[in-house]
Amino acid sequence: DSGVTQTPKHLITATGQRVTLRCSPRSGDLSVYWYQQSLDQGLQFLIQYYNGEERAKGNILERFSAQQFPDLHSELNLSSLELGDSALYFCASSAPSLGTDYGYTFGSGTRLTVV
Amino acid sequence: QQQVKQSPQSLIVQKGGISIINCAYENTAFDYFPWYQQFPGKGPALLIAIRPDVSEKKEGRFTISFNKSAKQFSLHIMDSQPGDSATYFCAASGATSGGSQGNLIFGKGTKLSVKP
Repeated sequence: DSGVTQTPKHLITATGQRVTLRCSPRSGDLSVYWYQQSLDQGLQFLIQYYNGEERAKGNILERFSAQQFPDLHSELNLSSLELGDSALYFCASSAPSLGTDYGYTFGSGTRLTVV
Repeated sequence: QQQVKQSPQSLIVQKGGISIINCAYENTAFDYFPWYQQFPGKGPALLIAIRPDVSEKKEGRFTISFNKSAKQFSLHIMDSQPGDSATYFCAASGATSGGSQGNLIFGKGTKLSVKP
């Protein structure tokens, strides 16, 4: 158990629908990062939150949004789903201060299948 | 400038051999270089990481070699075992202006197969 909890583990939904993925970071970590992993694209950074505030954006589609709540858990919302959104979605968290060797800890992911 | 280039894409090594995976980066602001191991259906797991003030770091059978001037770093797996068969990702990140660690930029990954 990495300490980063992602739910659900699997999600099957139809095109055009909306889903919410949830992430609870490791205890004490303030940063949450969302990544998308598909077979041909590797691990693509989507968005980062730090202590409730958006800190960085990567290749996140406008149909996708995220937020981090006061208890530091984060949700990734995917709407108007398309077949191409099928992928593994990972959440990671990192230590609150620079200079540590914790690194980024990843959850076990949510496998999204859009049919 | 944000890319991390990883090679080879796949690697087959005999049991007991040395596996070597290389990465190169361009952004000199990167200050943290981890390697992740990922098994099918699982999340990436941190294997070993290095900061640019060190040229080499060893943890068990895993060693990172870092060449700051060449902007390259590599992972060496000594005495490779079938259980090491997985996909390995190099990555890099730097601090944000707000003081937190920025996001990881990943290489494309190397699929390692260790033959018994």
